[in-house]
Parts: sequence; structure tokens; C-alpha cells
Amino acid sequence: EAGVTQFPSHSVIEKGQTVTLRCDPISGHDNLYWYRRVMGKEIKFLLHFVKESKQDESGMPNNRFLAERTGGTYSTLKVQPAELEDSGVYFCASSQDPPTRGTQYFGPGTRLTVT
Amino acid sequence: GDSVTQMEGPVTLSEEAFLTINCTYTATGYPSLFWYVQYPGEGLQLLLKATKADDKGSNKGFEATYRKETTSFHLEKGSVQVSDSAVYFCALRGGNKLVFGAGTILRVKS
Repeated sequence: EAGVTQFPSHSVIEKGQTVTLRCDPISGHDNLYWYRRVMGKEIKFLLHFVKESKQDESGMPNNRFLAERTGGTYSTLKVQPAELEDSGVYFCASSQDPPTRGTQYFGPGTRLTVT
Repeated sequence: GDSVTQMEGPVTLSEEAFLTINCTYTATGYPSLFWYVQYPGEGLQLLLKATKADDKGSNKGFEATYRKETTSFHLEKGSVQVSDSAVYFCALRGGNKLVFGAGTILRVKS
């Protein structure tokens, strides 16, 4: 069974540009999460999808971030326009069971560098 | 709100040394607790978990016991190997999301 995959593994962009990160969850997992680790600090929750619906986007930092999950399969996270403080590692996770009891399986992350 | 605090690293040990990485938490109620590990170039992997007080999670020689009196979930291993070098994250389940600590880098020298 394939794990959670993320693309690209690393992205370097200039301030003001747009970047789109992609996450493919484990097949059959309805729950998909985005997290971010900035500057070696805590990994912080961004948002949670159940199928194509956003269940909780309380962790999204501001309206420069847009997450979508068309068709309830893969998800994209777009940052537009990117700022220096957006640099960090963006992790995607998926789970089969509801978040209150299921194990979340993580991808390798996308390292975003904004210069 | 919920939070997790873990010891700062990096922790550098010689092979076969004893490992302890401290983790304490603040939360409402008694959340499930986790240790995740990130090996170089890989994603986060669940190492072990405990869902209630006094539970002991264990895997690959690592252990952690859920201590509600001290709100702690310290990670231990009796004899580390070079292959254990990684970043270790303590986390709790807060509602629908995981709340992580800042991570502890472990370096094991041969």
C-alpha cells in the first residue's frame, strides 16, 4: 500500500510569487490534514478535510493560503503571494478513522523556501 | 490551549547508551499521547502511543508511559543504535488535530 505522497519535495520561490503544494493521501482515507513546521519549531495544524469538505481550517494563518480537495482525493495548498515567514516544511497526513481516534499517517513533507 | 513541551536538543549519545527524551503536556482532560519519529529524508512515522493514564506504549525498543500525575510522556530506550538518529516529536490529540512539541534531534555516534 502506497503511503502519503507530497510534491514537490522542495520548492524555492521569491517573495510575492505563488506556490502550490500537492498531497496524495493513502487510498481510501477520507480524512486529510495539513500541518506546517516553521524554523525548527512545533509542527502546527493548518486544516482538516473530510472527503472534499473543510472540517476545520482554524490553523490557516491568513487568506494568502488556500487549500482545496477536489473530488475528495488529492489536496492542494496554494500560497499566494508568498512571504518570507511562509518558509518551512509543510506536512500532509491522512487517516481512515475519524480524527478523535484514528492514526494519522504523514507524508515526507514539502520544504518551502521563500527568498 | 493544549500544548506540548519537550527537551531541547540536539541530544548526542554513543551507541548502546541509555536514552531519555522528556515530554510534558498541558491539556484539558486526558488526551491520547504519541511519539512520532522523522528519519533523515523521510516523513513522520508513528513510533508509539498511549491512550489512557498508566498505559505504556512500546515499539522498536522504545517505551513511554502516560503519567497523568506529572502530565508527562517521556521517551526511553535502553540501548540506542546509530540507526536511531532522527528527530523525535511528542504529540497529543486535541480534538480533531495533533498538537506537537518542537522536536528533539537525536544523534548517535558509533
